Amino acid sequence: DAGVTQSPTHLIKTRGQQVTLRCSPKSGHDTVSWYQQALGQGPQFIFQYYEEEERQRGNFPDRFSGHQFPNYSSELNVNALLLGDSALYLCASSWGVGMQETQYFGPGTRLLVL
Amino acid sequence: AQKITQTQPGMFVQEKEAVTLDCTYDTSDPSYGLFWYKQPSSGEMIFLIYQGSYDQQNATEGRYSLNFQKARKSANLVISASQLGDSAMYFCAIEVDDYKLSFGAGTTVTVRA
Repeated sequence: DAGVTQSPTHLIKTRGQQVTLRCSPKSGHDTVSWYQQALGQGPQFIFQYYEEEERQRGNFPDRFSGHQFPNYSSELNVNALLLGDSALYLCASSWGVGMQETQYFGPGTRLLVL
Repeated sequence: AQKITQTQPGMFVQEKEAVTLDCTYDTSDPSYGLFWYKQPSSGEMIFLIYQGSYDQQNATEGRYSLNFQKARKSANLVISASQLGDSAMYFCAIEVDDYKLSFGAGTTVTVRA
């Protein structure tokens, strides 16, 4: 049973650049959520995709956008990178019909913005 | 808005002993779910245990159990018979029927041999 996978594992970018992170959900899951975790803090919810639509969004600027594909995989795009975007980006998948479904996380992508 | 408070930044526990990690939450919604995750230094968040607000019994999963006190709005995690591999960061999180998890600041657990 394949778990949640994310790519790449590490990424270094410079300010102003754009980045795309990728996530494949756990087998049988149809919902993908993205979280940002700054060093020493708990994860912060960015947004969630279900049926290829953004279903819920956290308090993040429009520079953060996403997409979900028909196979349920997802991308997170960040434009005009700032130093403060340096963080661990976590993807989580779940079965999206009900609320309070357990979210299972991937290993994360560590983004460093210089 | 929902809020999770974890007041213990770090804890030390002797191998084979039990440890309790505190978590208090704040929500006015009667329906919610409480989750505990473990995050080793590798970064992956590992799901440990879930407690629904309407569950009558405390949740248990192997060596993990949840001491759920609804009136006090607390959901403390108990790890029994600690192992060296339990050394990690532990996060408490809440979901209030809005599909998103709100996390606390976490507690670092170090297990000593």
